Amino acid sequence: LAKTTQPISMDSYEGQEVNITCSHNNIATNDYITWYQQFPSQGPRFIIQGYKTKVTNEVASLFIPADRKSSTLSLPRVSLSDTAVYYCLVLLTSGTYKYIFGTGTRLKVLA
Amino acid sequence: KAGVTQTPRYLIKTRGQQVTLSCSPISGHRSVSWYQQTPGQGLQFLFEYFSETQRNKGNFPGRFSGRQFSNSRSEMNVSTLELGDSALYLCASSPGGLQVLHSPLHFGNGTRLTVT
Repeated sequence: LAKTTQPISMDSYEGQEVNITCSHNNIATNDYITWYQQFPSQGPRFIIQGYKTKVTNEVASLFIPADRKSSTLSLPRVSLSDTAVYYCLVLLTSGTYKYIFGTGTRLKVLA
Repeated sequence: KAGVTQTPRYLIKTRGQQVTLSCSPISGHRSVSWYQQTPGQGLQFLFEYFSETQRNKGNFPGRFSGRQFSNSRSEMNVSTLELGDSALYLCASSPGGLQVLHSPLHFGNGTRLTVT
């Protein structure tokens, strides 16, 4: 069973680019990686998803290297409102599918 | 479209009691999954229902159970509550077909359960 780990916390300043890495092992070629953002007293909110190379949307980019042992969420030019906890989620599809959440990274954006 | 709705938002129960939590998914979504979130264990998958059938389950004791109704609404039940069951319980909905298992989950804001 894959284990997914993330840095516990990160600090950044407004306007900087933030990269948060999720380390996972034993994931198959078609296993999807999804990132969520969670504010206090709210449920996680979808940010971006992919299963290989690079995906970009209007708010973030997701990089998945060829060895698929990690993935990196990139947030360009963060603002104070990006202060939240970020989770990666790996969907394992070998055998019975399983949802494995990362340990979560608390991002604090400073003025 | 209305989002995922969970009721109640807060619950306080006593050890040994049982509790039922409710989740209404996004219209058209047929899959509802449940998660437990605690500071110590993080987010953990409880189980998933699709078309009124439990399709998948995590590693939780049998005290945790659920069901799904024909309108896709779901309930989760915890019997014989323990202090360690205090947590934020989240449900999420998605379209649910096996071909689109990877569809992003849409979460509700959770039910905060406190067991005293």
